[in-house]
Amino acid sequence: LAKTTQPISMDSYEGQEVNITCSHNNIATNDYITWYQQFPSQGPRFIIQGYKTKVTNEVASLFIPADRKSSTLSLPRVSLSDTAVYYCLVGFNSGNTPLVFGKGTRLSVIA
Amino acid sequence: EAGVAQSPRYKIIEKRQSVAFWCNPISGHATLYWYQQILGQGPKLLIQFQNNGVVDDSQLPKDRFSAERLKGVDSTLKIQPAKLEDSAVYLCASSPGRRTRTDTQYFGPGTRLTVL
Repeated sequence: LAKTTQPISMDSYEGQEVNITCSHNNIATNDYITWYQQFPSQGPRFIIQGYKTKVTNEVASLFIPADRKSSTLSLPRVSLSDTAVYYCLVGFNSGNTPLVFGKGTRLSVIA
Repeated sequence: EAGVAQSPRYKIIEKRQSVAFWCNPISGHATLYWYQQILGQGPKLLIQFQNNGVVDDSQLPKDRFSAERLKGVDSTLKIQPAKLEDSAVYLCASSPGRRTRTDTQYFGPGTRLTVL
């Protein structure tokens, strides 16, 4: 079963930019890359989605190189409220393969 | 726009008892998902519905878990009988269903199940 690989945890100080990289070597041609954020005692929340190059919204940026075998979620100027688990999700090959959440990256923002 | 609703929020039962969870997805969303999230792990997909048909239930322990989505709207997930290892948060999510495999999923708050 294809999967993604992310760092287990990261620490950052408030106000810094945080980059979380996800490896997905088996990504299929038509698949998108989606990132979710999860706070304790809540369900995951959609952050950003992309296919190639760069996508930016009001919350984050997503950088995807030409070979699409990895992606980097960039959070500008993090605050304490960005402390959460971040999941990289990739839609892999055809039909019946279930979508897979990995263990995610636990980001801790320190004052 | 109302989000995904789930009930109950918390449930404590003894092993071998039965339990049921309810989910009301976002209005108009064709796809509904049930996930199991064990502490410290990412959500694991149990079953995925497209309208009221099952798209994927390959990871659903069918000897004890069952799920239905009547009329393509609300859904219930049942465990009968429960085991200690079923202690987890059960998350329901829905998505518009236009592109199932890359659809944005909207999650409910989850039901925390403790099996004693």
